[in-house]
Amino acid sequence: GAVVSQHPSRVICKSGTSVKIECRSLDFQATTMFWYRQFPKQSLMLMATSNEGSKATYEQGVEKDKFLINHASLTLSTLTVTSAHPEDSSFYICSASRLAGGRDTQYFGPGTRLTVL
Amino acid sequence: AQTVTQSQPEMSVQEAETVTLSCTYDTSENNYYLFWYKQPPSRQMILVIRQEAYKQQNATENRFSVNFQKAAKSFSLKISDSQLGDTAMYFCAFMKINRGSTLGRLYFGRGTQLTVWP
Repeated sequence: GAVVSQHPSRVICKSGTSVKIECRSLDFQATTMFWYRQFPKQSLMLMATSNEGSKATYEQGVEKDKFLINHASLTLSTLTVTSAHPEDSSFYICSASRLAGGRDTQYFGPGTRLTVL
Repeated sequence: AQTVTQSQPEMSVQEAETVTLSCTYDTSENNYYLFWYKQPPSRQMILVIRQEAYKQQNATENRFSVNFQKAAKSFSLKISDSQLGDTAMYFCAFMKINRGSTLGRLYFGRGTQLTVWP
């Protein structure tokens, strides 16, 4: 149990286009999902916290108009990178929180590698 | 603010040997969770072990165990009988226990790259 999927696993797009990344919790409901960005050989940087049915909470320095987050259901959150530029190229990871029996844990998706040409 | 420090950017160990990865953290919270995640070359983040701060007993999961020293704010990971598949980046992480049902965010260390060699 506790499987989180991400789609697509990798995407290449032209500068100026928008890219949507989906994050799904496959076998549990997640009221909260998180979006991270990771540069090579570095730690995960939290971009935003996504709560089902409400607006996402963005970390300082993250442009909410550029990184649109929609948490439409208890099993799906999407991140849309709008008007992508080469500097947006990165590895994006989502996680979904599972609260069961008092044990709170985040489970991570496999990540999406975005390359903007 | 919560900070997590992993002072060892890289470590290596021979197969079947034991290795310990260090982690310290800074918080004013009394109740929280601590985690170790591994990220192999596939880049999938995998939960290795978790510890609730209110528990004095150190968590263990098969070959993985922790040495949790709450007063010292230390949370090291010991890997026994190291295997080639243990080669990965290991991240220490901290989570506040929120009141209510919403989970808190994770605060990650910079990671330790562990290489297990034959």
